[in-house]
Amino acid sequence: SQQGEEDPQALSIQEGENATMNCSYKTSINNLQWYRQNSGRGLVHLILIRSNEREKHSGRLRVTLDTSKKSSSLLITASRAADTASYFCATDARGGGGADGLTFGKGTHLIIQP
Amino acid sequence: EAQVTQNPRYLITVTGKKLTVTCSQNMNHEYMSWYRQDPGLGLRQIYYSMNVEVTDKGDVPEGYKVSRKEKRNFPLILESPSPNQTSLYFCASSLSDNVYGYTFGSGTRLTVV
Repeated sequence: SQQGEEDPQALSIQEGENATMNCSYKTSINNLQWYRQNSGRGLVHLILIRSNEREKHSGRLRVTLDTSKKSSSLLITASRAADTASYFCATDARGGGGADGLTFGKGTHLIIQP
Repeated sequence: EAQVTQNPRYLITVTGKKLTVTCSQNMNHEYMSWYRQDPGLGLRQIYYSMNVEVTDKGDVPEGYKVSRKEKRNFPLILESPSPNQTSLYFCASSLSDNVYGYTFGSGTRLTVV
């Protein structure tokens, strides 16, 4: 079952601008993760935020988590052409009664215009 | 280099001809899983394994089999492939407590005609 839902589905911005993607989910989670996928390639893990954390940074990435609203956001600052990719949020709800493992949203396709 | 290796990268086969997609990881990860990715549907989990000889169904297990006889290997078996199994398949692995996220393979693009 799809748990994470990203918003927007597609986003096109100019190089140098900031990109914000949002993710909503439905059940309690252990952690939430963001992944990047270049066209047809494997997913690359970007950042993991635990359910007891509210914000996390990694380089130009900033992730927030609001468990009361069951939502997360991924901010990419000072975007570059190489950031063009699809971005997925994934929730880990192990022990929650459902199948163990990550449940992915359908992704946000980000295009950085040079 | 720490990685998940899938083979083959591309495969075209005919309906009903048994096939196996191999997956191997060199990170001593306990947890391994298989996903399929389809346009408009995102990634959906097929099967997962918490450790050797422990496997369980994900969200879309019908038509697939897996085995975990060794910690490093987690092959995906399609006993009688059908055209609706045409998809992009990914194997992934992680530590059992999943504190560092998953490592994904490069994918296997399967076409069943």
